[in-house]
Amino acid sequence: DAMVIQNPRYQVTQFGKPVTLSCSQTLNHNVMYWYQQKSSQAPKLLFHYYDKDFNNEADTPDNFQSRRPNTSFCFLDIRSPGLGDTAMYLCATSRDRLGTDTQYFGPGTRLTVL
Amino acid sequence: RKEVEQDPGPFNVPEGATVAFNCTYSNSASQSFFWYRQDCRKEPKLLMSVYSSGNEDGRFTAQLNRASQYISLLIRDSKLSDSATYLCVVNQGALNFGKGTSLLVTP
Repeated sequence: DAMVIQNPRYQVTQFGKPVTLSCSQTLNHNVMYWYQQKSSQAPKLLFHYYDKDFNNEADTPDNFQSRRPNTSFCFLDIRSPGLGDTAMYLCATSRDRLGTDTQYFGPGTRLTVL
Repeated sequence: RKEVEQDPGPFNVPEGATVAFNCTYSNSASQSFFWYRQDCRKEPKLLMSVYSSGNEDGRFTAQLNRASQYISLLIRDSKLSDSATYLCVVNQGALNFGKGTSLLVTP
């Protein structure tokens, strides 16, 4: 059974048109992460939630926002997508933020900005 | 200097071969280490954690050298299904991913 679910799996949007990506988890984990992975590059952490506490990475553009209305769901909002935002967006969860905690990844949403 | 560095490959090996990947990391305060596997257009999946004493899981062996800040992954008796990108991951409070090493196992 899927533990980390992302919707949609594929999304095409127009330059400047807001888009929201969804992630849900059945693991009841405290931490949820959003990563951006461009072609042939490593996943790059955008931000994470520890419970309701939002933690933004210093170099994440303001164009990227996130919401976590409850333990199970987390959303990534891209307010004005640019062509450079075309990428795979990966959601991950972990039980805690301990160094040894495993992160479980969802299947990703492949976003194309035209 | 990149925080986690890997040889991108590709490594092309025949079935049954032994192949080794290396990874170096820059932050000596790094807490934990992992190898993830990522298939084309799929999400990363945890392959194994890497412990200071070294650890083995079937055909896979991981080693950590903290003094040299170096991690390795050895795959014995390669299978076609091992073809994937292998990501070295270092936890420094947040996960830092290498760009991955591409492996292609051929018949």
